[in-house]
Amino acid sequence: EPEVTQTPSHQVTQMGQEVILRCVPISNHLYFYWYRQILGQKVEFLVSFYNNEISEKSEIFDDQFSVERPDGSNFTLKIRSTKLEDSAMYFCASSEWENTEAFFGQGTRLTVV
Amino acid sequence: GQNIDQPTEMTATEGAIVQINCTYQTSGFNGLFWYQQHAGEAPTFLSYNVLDGLEEKGRFSSFLSRSKGYSYLLLKELQMKDSASYLCAVGSAGNNRKLIWGLGTSLAVNP
Repeated sequence: EPEVTQTPSHQVTQMGQEVILRCVPISNHLYFYWYRQILGQKVEFLVSFYNNEISEKSEIFDDQFSVERPDGSNFTLKIRSTKLEDSAMYFCASSEWENTEAFFGQGTRLTVV
Repeated sequence: GQNIDQPTEMTATEGAIVQINCTYQTSGFNGLFWYQQHAGEAPTFLSYNVLDGLEEKGRFSSFLSRSKGYSYLLLKELQMKDSASYLCAVGSAGNNRKLIWGLGTSLAVNP
């Protein structure tokens, strides 16, 4: 069964460093998303991406964050100058169409120390 | 403001039926999703309602009343593996995927 894959599964970084989280969405899907979930808290929408551009972003997704689809398969989230409060599980998801179910990857647990 | 409310915790017995409620207040409405999330894992899709009424899918059913800002997820013939968090998420106005998520309801199924 096709699945969304994310790498790495765990990432530890020092405060102030830049991290890149990687995702390979399901191949025939057109819509891609990043979410985060701070431990014990709700899932939060970060950004949606369609047709090689951001289609929607939340208040959380400020200039510290950027997304890119560098080739036909990868979808990345870059976090610049990481802060302690960026520590969270980051989920990538993809869907075939806008109003269909999203399939989530297993997440990258980011720890900023 | 935008808000999703769900009970924090529920307990039920194996083989029983449980109903998890969700109420929402959002700026516009573009569908309501239910996801299941086991601890430390990714959410997995359960159901999607955009029109009023009941959607049935095997042991799981989901109901929506847009006029009341209310939905419920009904789980029948509970199994131990149904112990998980159940997340209600509402697509607000605009892009459907700018989902507003509830905190989730932690369901414990006991033998």
